[in-house]
Amino acid sequence: NAGVTQTPKFQVLKTGQSMTLQCAQDMNHNSMYWYRQDPGMGLRLIYYSASEGTTDKGEVPNGYNVSRLNKREFSLRLESAAPSQTSVYFCASSEGAAAEYFGPGTRLTVT
Amino acid sequence: GNSVTQMEGPVTLSEEAFLTINCTYTATGYPSLFWYVQYPGEGLQLLLKATKADDKGSNKGFEATYRKETTSFHLEKGSVQVSDSAVYFCALRGYSSASKIIFGSGTRLSIRP
Repeated sequence: NAGVTQTPKFQVLKTGQSMTLQCAQDMNHNSMYWYRQDPGMGLRLIYYSASEGTTDKGEVPNGYNVSRLNKREFSLRLESAAPSQTSVYFCASSEGAAAEYFGPGTRLTVT
Repeated sequence: GNSVTQMEGPVTLSEEAFLTINCTYTATGYPSLFWYVQYPGEGLQLLLKATKADDKGSNKGFEATYRKETTSFHLEKGSVQVSDSAVYFCALRGYSSASKIIFGSGTRLSIRP
């Protein structure tokens, strides 16, 4: 039981490049989330998916798109990376009103 | 709307000291309450939780009691270790299953040997 997995672990992009961060969970959870965490700061919700086939904006959605590919997988895409998107990105999943379970994170640097 | 307020860090203690990290919340109804821990370079891990008033969550020597009357969920540990150095996040989820988790800003804890 791997829980929540994320790929890649590290990524360096140049301004304007695009990339997709992958997330998968094997806990059969309906809800999945993408957060960003900037140095010394808390978590900010980018997008979430309450169930397969639905996605909604969170607190900081600009510059990102998401796809809920199936119940297991929820990807985050940066179409044109900017230095302001340098951050650590966490994926999480949950079921109902229970706790969220987090992946190990993707450390992204945009130069 | 729902919100969580936790004490600002950093908090620095000596090994074997008593730890309290304060957390208060604002919410309608009876939210579920959580403490998460984030070790350096890692993701957040659920530390403990409580889902109704007067419940006590506990794990790894840490405890927190859901106090409806004071809208608080303070984290305590009787004797901290160097390995407890991490950032601790208080969080709540509203009673509706559609509610998203609201996180506090985090408290960095450093333990001196």
